[in-house]
Amino acid sequence: AQSVTQLDSQVPVFEEAPVELRCNYSSSVSVYLFWYVQYPNQGLQLLLKYLSGSTLVKGINGFEAEFNKSQTSFHLRKPSVHISDTAEYFCAVSDDGTSYGKLTFGQGTILTVHP
Amino acid sequence: EAQVTQNPRYLITVTGKKLTVTCSQNMNHEYMSWYRQDPGLGLRQIYYSMNVEVTDKGDVPEGYKVSRKEKRNFPLILESPSPNQTSLYFCASSAYRVGPYEQYFGPGTRLTVT
Repeated sequence: AQSVTQLDSQVPVFEEAPVELRCNYSSSVSVYLFWYVQYPNQGLQLLLKYLSGSTLVKGINGFEAEFNKSQTSFHLRKPSVHISDTAEYFCAVSDDGTSYGKLTFGQGTILTVHP
Repeated sequence: EAQVTQNPRYLITVTGKKLTVTCSQNMNHEYMSWYRQDPGLGLRQIYYSMNVEVTDKGDVPEGYKVSRKEKRNFPLILESPSPNQTSLYFCASSAYRVGPYEQYFGPGTRLTVT
């Protein structure tokens, strides 16, 4: 069985500061990793994904994430955040096919960007 | 425009009154799924469907039913809703056969059971 742990439930940060949202996963097989963003009163939007290849993945809105297999982590980073980045962020994992595409989500991290 | 739609977006009902939340996608996706989102718990899968007439339980299926009679539609049925089913519900779809599992989400349905 796979699981995802987001290590911070809330992350407050000032505008233009860097941010890192942490995600650790556990799985007995190869995985695909995703970060989704949920803006207030909206559905989930894919931010970026790791499927294979380069461990540094770039996504939309200036976000990037690094896959670290030895530490089973997939932390999300942005060098300079904006007020508009205020949202809830979810890390998710899907295995290589044994569970038919099921996504397992972390608990979510609420990012609040202050002026 | 490629999208997943859900109706209604907001629903307040009473305990025991049967309800259906509809979900439709226009991307010809084989895989569809329902999740519920609760504070501090993230999203948890309720049911999923790999194709027409093929459905299976997710992590929290109790109290829910689904059907997949057409490829584009995947309704979620609560035959006797209870207050613990008050939640935010999301439908999602993906082209499973193409892979690898990027899911597209609907806008959500906020359900309150009193």
